[in-house]
Amino acid sequence: ETGVTQTPRHLVMGMTNKKSLKCEQHLGHNAMYWYKQSAKKPLELMFVYSLEERVENNSVPSRFSPECPNSSHLFLHLHTLQPEDSALYLCASSQEGPRGRGGELFFGEGSRLTVL
Amino acid sequence: GENVEQHPSTLSVQEGDSAVIKCTYSDSASNYFPWYKQELGKGPQLIIDIRSNVGEKKDQRIAVTLNKTAKHFSLHITETQPEDSAVYFCAATRIQGAQKLVFGQGTRLTINP
Repeated sequence: ETGVTQTPRHLVMGMTNKKSLKCEQHLGHNAMYWYKQSAKKPLELMFVYSLEERVENNSVPSRFSPECPNSSHLFLHLHTLQPEDSALYLCASSQEGPRGRGGELFFGEGSRLTVL
Repeated sequence: GENVEQHPSTLSVQEGDSAVIKCTYSDSASNYFPWYKQELGKGPQLIIDIRSNVGEKKDQRIAVTLNKTAKHFSLHITETQPEDSAVYFCAATRIQGAQKLVFGQGTRLTINP
């Protein structure tokens, strides 16, 4: 596989459920990101991991918990979500530092989440 | 923090005509301005970017201009084709380690045959 792969592509969950979104990048990049895309809103940066350390937590509620076990994998753990959390969650990766161009994000196709 | 405004939210042009999308940003420290294209059911994909040390950049039918003084940048697509129909996002950030792009609201571009 190539690029950035997200699973599942679609997820429906109740407000009391616990679920996880998974992202895997096959590009050898050293930074990974979670973005939230809601209808009629800009892409919102949620979390940034650089060299497996979280460098940004953009005021995201604690019901969203990220995990980056290695440079190729990123998870978003979901717990007691609200209906307004329904959105497309996009994972991205980039190569930062001297070898990278700086700034080019490679996005996955997203996980469409519906909270009932 | 950075704030990016993008206009128009929707744009419809005849095939072969040009399309222009405009963005403004608030943080004078921002020095990197990419444009992403998102097709239906896919993630955004970088189509062109510009850094603050240049005023214009062109790649075939796509060009981007930057006015640092006015803090605005624009995407120009010439000789539009049906496959240009998509949602386009501008973004801005200051390059420092991992990117923290701030995106505009998006423009849905429709090319009419």
